[in-house]
Parts: sequence; structure tokens; C-alpha cells
Amino acid sequence: LAKTTQPISMDSYEGQEVNITCSHNNIATNDYITWYQQFPSQGPRFIIQGYKTKVTNEVASLFIPADRKSSTLSLPRVSLSDTAVYYCLVGRNTGGFKTIFGAGTRLFVKA
Amino acid sequence: EAQVTQNPRYLITVTGKKLTVTCSQNMNHEYMSWYRQDPGLGLRQIYYSMNVEVTDKGDVPEGYKVSRKEKRNFPLILESPSPNQTSLYFCASSLDPLGTGRFTEAFFGQGTRLTVV
Repeated sequence: LAKTTQPISMDSYEGQEVNITCSHNNIATNDYITWYQQFPSQGPRFIIQGYKTKVTNEVASLFIPADRKSSTLSLPRVSLSDTAVYYCLVGRNTGGFKTIFGAGTRLFVKA
Repeated sequence: EAQVTQNPRYLITVTGKKLTVTCSQNMNHEYMSWYRQDPGLGLRQIYYSMNVEVTDKGDVPEGYKVSRKEKRNFPLILESPSPNQTSLYFCASSLDPLGTGRFTEAFFGQGTRLTVV
């Protein structure tokens, strides 16, 4: 599994756009990039997935540059309910099918 | 409604008393896995299963067992629980392993908070 690096925490205010960047320098050709959101004491929830360029859904946008060594999750106009931990996952462990979640980014949205 | 159901949601038990946490999914997913989550350590994979009768160790398998006799069920067994297994546990299912390609949206259960005293 490609190692990912994310900021440990971020603060924002309601109504602002939040961008969380994930570094994945050793991403493989066939790897997809997937983001999950987790609220306290709940299981993670799928947000968005992409392979290259830009993907947008009703919740977020995902920007992936041409070299794919990083990706940015963009949350438009955050609200208090967006306070959560956000995880970036990339690729597959070539030694099996383990799944490794990094530490994630704890986003705290203030009023 | 697509869902992953774990039971029980909360459990307090004593050291050494065998217990089973059940997990069931209704999406005909092939890939299922168990995670534990501890403060400061994030989500760590315990075991996963690629299909019926196919299971393998994740990163922290010690002290746990699993079985996959039916596609929909993937119970987690603690033969002799110890206090260091006190944690929040999640079961998940997906069409294929998380992060391996398309269709990797995983569905997680509500969690089981286990306390071993």
C-alpha cells in the first residue's frame, strides 16, 4: 500500500472552503485514491474516489495533479457537522490485500 | 437498504471469557474486514477475508480469530480476551479491497465498543 502523509489537524470556520492535501509519492500506476470521513464513534464513510485530474460529487471535490504524487480533498463551505477525521487511502499492498489507514486529518470547524 | 450490522454495540466482559462479535452484510460483497480503533493509533486492520473460506491476517491479528463460512457473515472471535483488547471495533465490507481500484467504496458497521476487565 502506498504510504500516505496528511496533516494531523486543521481548523476552519463555517462557510469556508477547506482543502486537505495527501502526499503519496510512491503511488503505483493502477492505484486509485480514496477518501473517507469518520465521525466520533462511527465507522468511516466513503466520500470520494479518483484516479487523475478532478472528480466532483455532491459532497466534495478531489484534485489530482498529473504526476499523481499528491491529492487534495476540497470541502466547499464547511459547516459544524463537517468536523471529523478525514482519511486518504491509496493503492494495494503488493504482498496481499491488507488495508492500511493512516492517522488521518482531524478537521475542526468553528462557528 | 445497504448495511453492515454488528452485534453487540457495547460489551463488557472479563478476562479469559470467550466472546464473539457478529458482522453481517446484505450487499453480497466479497471482501470483509475487521478493524480496531484506539486513541492515537487510528484504524488498524485485524483480519480480512477475500471470500468464503478465504481469510488472512491484517496488521494486528494476535488474540483474534475469524471465520467466513457464509458470504454475508464474518464473525470476530476472541478466545481469551485480555484488557489490551479493550477497544472500538469495526467491521467493513466492499466489492474489493479498499483502495485497490474502482468499486472500493466500503461500508462500515456501527461499531462495537468492547471493554475487558
